[in-house]
Amino acid sequence: DAGVIQSPRHEVTEMGQEVTLRCKPISGHDYLFWYRQTMMRGLELLIYFNNNVPIDDSGMPEDRFSAKMPNASFSTLKIQPSEPRDSAVYFCGSVRGRGEKLFFGSGTQLSVL
Amino acid sequence: DQQVKQNSPSLSVQEGRISILNCDYTNSMFDYFLWYKKYPAEGPTFLISISSIKDKNEDGRFTVFLNKSAKHLSLHIVPSQPGDSAVYFCAAPVPGTYKYIFGTGTRLKVLA
Repeated sequence: DAGVIQSPRHEVTEMGQEVTLRCKPISGHDYLFWYRQTMMRGLELLIYFNNNVPIDDSGMPEDRFSAKMPNASFSTLKIQPSEPRDSAVYFCGSVRGRGEKLFFGSGTQLSVL
Repeated sequence: DQQVKQNSPSLSVQEGRISILNCDYTNSMFDYFLWYKKYPAEGPTFLISISSIKDKNEDGRFTVFLNKSAKHLSLHIVPSQPGDSAVYFCAAPVPGTYKYIFGTGTRLKVLA
């Protein structure tokens, strides 16, 4: 298996622009997670899905953030409009079930100028 | 409040010595814990886990100890190697959910 695949690896954009991050989970994994890594808060959970349905989005910082999972093999995290404080590394992860290993993608380094 | 906490942001150890990374948790109902290692520009990778029915789990140079009464777990690396230099995160699924939460990480530097 190719593992969790994220794109793009790097994204540089200007304040106010829309940003879309993409993720393909491991096949057969029923849970998909979006995390943001910052120096102050470490790995912060934004939202997670079970069988394509959002279960907990309490970590999504503002209405500017939205996430979708239209099918079992694809998810997006969108920021519209983006702000400089959104600059961080965003990770997607997937897991087959509770009590199992969560696998991560390589992350998207987002810089909002 | 459901949290896992890593109170040491960094740790430096000489090559060949033991590295001990610590993690505390707030809820005695946590039943499974994981440790992840993260290199720069890479995603976190799974290292070792432990179920709350155990107090120790060992995998090669890595051992995790769980002290349920203290709500504390630790990761021991023996002997430490320069390639172990990375950020280490402890994590756990929140009881009753599938939500995995992480500590803020400890940056380990192993000095040659």
